[in-house]
Amino acid sequence: GQQLNQSPQSMFIQEGEDVSMNCTSSSIFNTWLWYKQDPGEGPVLLIALYKAGELTSNGRLTAQFGTTRKDSFLNISASIPSDVGIYFCAGPPKNYGGSQGNLIFGKGTKLSVKP
Amino acid sequence: DSGVTQTPKHLITATGQRVTLRCSPRSGDLSVYWYQQSLDQGLQFLIQYYNGEERAKGNILERFSAQQFPDLHSELNLSSLELGDSALYFCASSPRDRAHEQYFGPGTRLTVT
Repeated sequence: GQQLNQSPQSMFIQEGEDVSMNCTSSSIFNTWLWYKQDPGEGPVLLIALYKAGELTSNGRLTAQFGTTRKDSFLNISASIPSDVGIYFCAGPPKNYGGSQGNLIFGKGTKLSVKP
Repeated sequence: DSGVTQTPKHLITATGQRVTLRCSPRSGDLSVYWYQQSLDQGLQFLIQYYNGEERAKGNILERFSAQQFPDLHSELNLSSLELGDSALYFCASSPRDRAHEQYFGPGTRLTVT
């Protein structure tokens, strides 16, 4: 079935650093979403992308819908401690239709603070 | 706070038992989704309801069932529980015109012993 591959699996940040992560698939997605999950909580929607090439920002977060429709990127600028968590990419499977909204999720990129 | 509520927060039960998880969507949202999150499988879509009707089905076991009531709250029923059913169960809801922009509840952590 369709899969979303996220990299890196984990990364360590120091406050103030910029962070980049990506999500790739072997098949085309028409929508890309980025979520963040804190321990013990539900995922929180950060950014939704609907058009190939689209670049969308949400504060210090910027996400891009890859032009091939097979990838997406998330950048965090000037990271702060509360950026720590797991970041997931997600998208609708190709057999969805109408008001079906089910999503496929990547395995996540875990962001931790450098000791 | 996403506006989606889930109860209970934690549930501990024994193998073979049946449990019911409850979810209330955000005000105005007609769609409710259920997801299972485990360490090995990640976040997996189970089932979607839209205004009381089943709309999409994922990798949901036959031992699991769900429904959405006229007031739009939803329940996920898990029966004949096995150790492997231990996981976090999330409910999400979405606006009518943006089905993929899903807002997740805080989850129910199910432990089967």
